Amino acid sequence: QQPVQSPQAVILREGEDAVINCSSSKALYSVHWYRQKHGEAPVFLMILLKGGEQKGHEKISASFNEKKQQSSLYLTASQLSYSGTYFCGTEVNGVDMRFGAGTRLTVKP
Amino acid sequence: EAGVTQFPSHSVIEKGQTVTLRCDPISGHDNLYWYRRVMGKEIKFLLHFVKESKQDESGMPNNRFLAERTGGTYSTLKVQPAELEDSGVYFCASSLRVTGELFFGEGSRLTVL
Repeated sequence: QQPVQSPQAVILREGEDAVINCSSSKALYSVHWYRQKHGEAPVFLMILLKGGEQKGHEKISASFNEKKQQSSLYLTASQLSYSGTYFCGTEVNGVDMRFGAGTRLTVKP
Repeated sequence: EAGVTQFPSHSVIEKGQTVTLRCDPISGHDNLYWYRRVMGKEIKFLLHFVKESKQDESGMPNNRFLAERTGGTYSTLKVQPAELEDSGVYFCASSLRVTGELFFGEGSRLTVL
């Protein structure tokens, strides 16, 4: 039931863009995105509830394709502060959230 | 407002010993979750409390793990006896609504030698 994330790791230079993908084998009720910096608690970024919905926060946005059971996180003009491990969490109806293995993002100057 | 707090932050024990992890959720959050992450792998669901009741404990690996949530406030997760494969970071999270944002603690790192 765990979603599958890709890629496993990304290395970027400041200002470059990145896309992180999350896919599920089951029909999704919602998708959450979290970011964890080393040694800290995972922090909520956004939740997507409807098919085709796209949400954003500053230069980080996400889309949710309900039919394809996929979500993508878009990081635009990356900053050093974006470094961390990104997790997608998926909710299947009646089942508590399951998380992927995470995507480690490193942004270099 | 205080966030989710977990104790201890790191515990090193020998195989066969007992460890109890504690989680204090955000006040007013009825939903409390335990997850575990082994290095490089997914954040694996263990169980979900709604107040003091276990809503879903399908992720608990075996009967060596016992979770309680007394009075619907803080929760404990006891591992007895601990095995090598129990090593990892145990995260607690709480939420106001079942489908809402999860607020995570910083985790309790368990090392079983």
